[in-house]
Amino acid sequence: LAKTTQPISMDSYEGQEVNITCSHNNIATNDYITWYQQFPSQGPRFIIQGYKTKVTNEVASLFIPADRKSSTLSLPRVSLSDTAVYYCLVGFDTGGFKTIFGAGTRLFVKA
Amino acid sequence: NAGVTQTPKFQVLKTGQSMTLQCAQDMNHEYMSWYRQDPGMGLRLIHYSVGAGITDQGEVPNGYNVSRSTTEDFPLRLLSAAPSQTSVYFCASSYSGTTSSYEQYFGPGTRLTVT
Repeated sequence: LAKTTQPISMDSYEGQEVNITCSHNNIATNDYITWYQQFPSQGPRFIIQGYKTKVTNEVASLFIPADRKSSTLSLPRVSLSDTAVYYCLVGFDTGGFKTIFGAGTRLFVKA
Repeated sequence: NAGVTQTPKFQVLKTGQSMTLQCAQDMNHEYMSWYRQDPGMGLRLIHYSVGAGITDQGEVPNGYNVSRSTTEDFPLRLLSAAPSQTSVYFCASSYSGTTSSYEQYFGPGTRLTVT
């Protein structure tokens, strides 16, 4: 299982773009990169998933360099409601069982 | 769709008691799993199931049993509760097959305290 490393916490202000980088040096050829968001007292919620280059949806963008040893989740123009813990997961398994939730990155958005 | 539902939301047990945490999903997902989350930590996989009648152990299975008699339900049984099992428990479900999406849908969680 690929181990991931993320910053423990980050602070930002409303309206700013936030970039959270995840390191996964031993990512395997078949592994995908998936990000989840978790609010207090709730279960995690899927944000975005990618394999290489760039993926964008209505919530975020995911940038993956050619060597795939890291990835960056980009949240455009954050608001107070984006305050949450963000998890980076790496793995290849449709059920998600072979992926590991680390401690995640605690993002705090200030007014 | 209700998605993934869990009952109860809160539970207090005494050491040695047993109980079952209920989980149900109405999305016809083949895969279901149970996680526990301790304060300030990520989620750890307890047990999972890839279909009715098929279960397997995750990272921290000791002290827990599961069964999967239907696609919809995946109950988690605590055999003899211990204070170390005080945690928040999340149930999740996901698609199987050839999809390349590894999106798991999580329930709202059960907060368990063992005294």
